Amino acid sequence: EVQLVESGGGLVQSGGSLRLSCAASGFRFRSYAMSWVRQAPGKGLEWVAYIKYDGSEKYYVDSVKGRFTISRDNAKNSLSLQMNSLRAEDTAVYYCARDRPGSTSGTSYWGQGTLVTVTS
Amino acid sequence: QSVLTQPPSASGTPGQRVTISCSGSSSNIGNSAVNWYQQFPGTAPKLLIYSDNQRPSGVPDRFSGSKSGTSASLAISGLQSEDEADYYCSAWDDSLNGGVFGGGTKLTVL
Repeated sequence: EVQLVESGGGLVQSGGSLRLSCAASGFRFRSYAMSWVRQAPGKGLEWVAYIKYDGSEKYYVDSVKGRFTISRDNAKNSLSLQMNSLRAEDTAVYYCARDRPGSTSGTSYWGQGTLVTVTS
Repeated sequence: QSVLTQPPSASGTPGQRVTISCSGSSSNIGNSAVNWYQQFPGTAPKLLIYSDNQRPSGVPDRFSGSKSGTSASLAISGLQSEDEADYYCSAWDDSLNGGVFGGGTKLTVL
């Protein structure tokens, strides 16, 4: 059974840092691209970052470029999102997702999410 | 302001057919596969349609997708009360070099 379990969310002050993790199981993690997608309270989905299966390509939404870093450890079946210089507008549930928007593979699967709250 | 445009709401009665539109541009829908997600309150989104019109295993054939040019649509036939949820379209945008979502459509079954 495919499982994606996020952790690391919590309350942080504006300007602070947080590192999210996603533990993957039930599939060959090293063969899949991965993404982070967030959802602010009561709002829609926003793609945040993408990393290719081997980590050779990374892309970010403009609003987090230079502040967030996506990474993966294929040996540990783990995905991470390092978030620095956090702002109030980064407050959201962060989902770890297998694959990326617009993929043709039909293998998209999402974890249950972890809540990040940035206070001013 | 989302890159892909969806109506904020849609509604129908049980048994009816409902369609949800998703409008984009040549850099996203016009040049990328479109995926649709279904989300119930407090839960993670679930893939409903991929590659414009393909259903993952387990998704009822009441759900169908289509695309023409820079617009896509999700159709739900034989509407059921359990279809009441939020629906999102998504694509890859070559100009932005990133993923894009529609703002979401809240479907109400009357």
